Amino acid sequence: QQPVQSPQAVILREGEDAVINCSSSKALYSVHWYRQKHGEAPVFLMILLKGGEQKGHEKISASFNEKKQQSSLYLTASQLSYSGTYFCGTQGGSQGNLIFGKGTKLSVKP
Amino acid sequence: DTGVSQNPRHKITKRGQNVTFRCDPISEHNRLYWYRQTLGQGPEFLTYFQNEAQLEKSRLLSDRFSAERPKGSFSTLEIQRTEQGDSAMYLCASSLASGGQPQHFGDGTRLSIL
Repeated sequence: QQPVQSPQAVILREGEDAVINCSSSKALYSVHWYRQKHGEAPVFLMILLKGGEQKGHEKISASFNEKKQQSSLYLTASQLSYSGTYFCGTQGGSQGNLIFGKGTKLSVKP
Repeated sequence: DTGVSQNPRHKITKRGQNVTFRCDPISEHNRLYWYRQTLGQGPEFLTYFQNEAQLEKSRLLSDRFSAERPKGSFSTLEIQRTEQGDSAMYLCASSLASGGQPQHFGDGTRLSIL
């Protein structure tokens, strides 16, 4: 039931791109993406809803394939500030709690 | 928008003691969630409220854990007879009730059991 994230960790140079994947074995209503820096709270990035559009904000965008129960987060031209652990949280219905993956640790080096 | 506020930020206590944490959600949010996070893991759902009603509890929430949201505003999470395994970051989040709303997290309370 817990979504599976891949890769577990990735190291980038500034300016490089990355893709983080989130896969569920159950039908999904929504996928939520968060970034968490060490010792801080998870920060909301974006939400993708069943039947919704691909979302994007500046250099971070995401897609949601309902049929495959998969979502991907795309980070382009990465910046040092992108470093952190990225979590996807999934909802099976329109209400209720999120089930989070184990996270993907992203490190951006100068 | 002042964000979700949690107190205290850190709590160190001896095994067997009771502890209580407080969460103040974003004012217009009627949903409030409690999660627990251990090192290297994602947040793990404990319970959630819509207004003052507790709508769902995780099976992880043993009878030593209780949560309240008496007036539909702030919430408290109490752990009785704490155990070593209770050491974790306890996160609170809030959201609007309509479907597909983002949950916004507070900074958490880090609990350490000696």
